[in-house]
Amino acid sequence: EVQLLESGGGLVQPGGSLRLSCAASGFTFSNFAMSWVRQAPGKGLEWVSTFSGSGRLIYYADSVKGRFTISRDDSKNTLYLQMNSLRAEDTAVYYCPASKEGYSGSPFDYWGQGTLVTVSS
Amino acid sequence: SYVLTQPPSLSVAPGKTARITCGGNNIGSKSVHWYQQKPGQAPLVVISYDSDRPSGIPERFSGSNSGNTATLTINRVEAGDEADYYCQVWDSSSDHVVFGGGTRLTVL
Repeated sequence: EVQLLESGGGLVQPGGSLRLSCAASGFTFSNFAMSWVRQAPGKGLEWVSTFSGSGRLIYYADSVKGRFTISRDDSKNTLYLQMNSLRAEDTAVYYCPASKEGYSGSPFDYWGQGTLVTVSS
Repeated sequence: SYVLTQPPSLSVAPGKTARITCGGNNIGSKSVHWYQQKPGQAPLVVISYDSDRPSGIPERFSGSNSGNTATLTINRVEAGDEADYYCQVWDSSSDHVVFGGGTRLTVL
């Protein structure tokens, strides 16, 4: 059974930093593309970043480029998102969906339950 | 940047057909994925690559994509289909994933 468990969310002040983790199990993690997608309270889905599978390509949304860094540790089956210079508009539930076909255009096949990040003073 | 446009809301009576559109410039040349999100839950892919139905998704769900519009069709709508629906593409010109704004489906 595929499982994705996001963690690391919480309350942080504007300008602060936070690192999210996504622990994966039940599939060959290294073959999957992994992404971060967020959803602000009461709003729609917003893509944040993708780390492809075997190709090892990385992509970022314009809104986070230069502030957020995606990484993965295939030996630990874990995806990370280092978030710096956080802003109020980064407040959202952060999901780490997995794409079994491993490339950037493939659908988000599996989702975790998300972790809430709140940026506020 | 590439934009996907969905109607914010759609209301359908039980047993009828819901058609949720997703508009984008020449979207027919892209692969469209559709997600269902119920309150308090993570999204679930219901249609991938325009018209493929993942395992476990009822046959009542189907998709099409041509020209400037992709469509998610739900036949014989049930109360349990009430949810937010999002379309999504990969825009190769910008190397970005793009989501539509979402459509809230209400079953009357």
